[in-house]
Amino acid sequence: DADVTQTPRNRITKTGKRIMLECSQTKGHDRMYWYRQDPGLGLQLIYYSFDVKDINKGEISDGYSVSRQAQAKFSLSLESAIPNQTALYFCATSGTSVSEQFFGPGTRLTVL
Amino acid sequence: KQEVTQIPAALSVPEGENLVLNCSFTDSAIYNLQWFRQDPGKGLTSLLLIQSSQREQTSGRLNASLDKSSGRSTLYIAASQPGDSATYLCADEPSPRNNFNKFYFGSGTKLNVKP
Repeated sequence: DADVTQTPRNRITKTGKRIMLECSQTKGHDRMYWYRQDPGLGLQLIYYSFDVKDINKGEISDGYSVSRQAQAKFSLSLESAIPNQTALYFCATSGTSVSEQFFGPGTRLTVL
Repeated sequence: KQEVTQIPAALSVPEGENLVLNCSFTDSAIYNLQWFRQDPGKGLTSLLLIQSSQREQTSGRLNASLDKSSGRSTLYIAASQPGDSATYLCADEPSPRNNFNKFYFGSGTKLNVKP
């Protein structure tokens, strides 16, 4: 089984809709991240979490919110989706002693 | 803010060739440097992690080196194969502040290995 899973894998929605992307991990890591990737660009950090009680904004947090429901779960919400949020979204985890990052398979989101 | 640059953006080579991918970063005070592979529409797979106390890491046909003084890392792929075709991204982790580490990604080098 995959260590980092994301649901859904693909989603098409309309402008103004609320969307939630979910991430679960079985690696036992405290740190979790949400990134977005646009074609031809690197990954941009949206939000990150050090532990269940620690949530921090990344470079591009406007229009997004997150919830860390448990050590293993980190959800990303788009409160009112807009077309320029169409992108590939990745969840990642890392440990504290060695901060190697491990990524989920991604969610392809299209906002019409 | 840390800037990470990968040149070239795309590279096409014949099968069997040895090749080098480049990654440069603006802040030499890095903590870790990680190389990833990404297949089209897929997630990132970790290839190698070089910690700040290390100069290189090897895994199979891959060798990654880190030169903090010049702000560069290279990924060397020996005897390239068509299956190596993918986008390769590097990410650096600046020295930790407030016990939290963030990663800065380059935009990747898209590699095509021709049979």
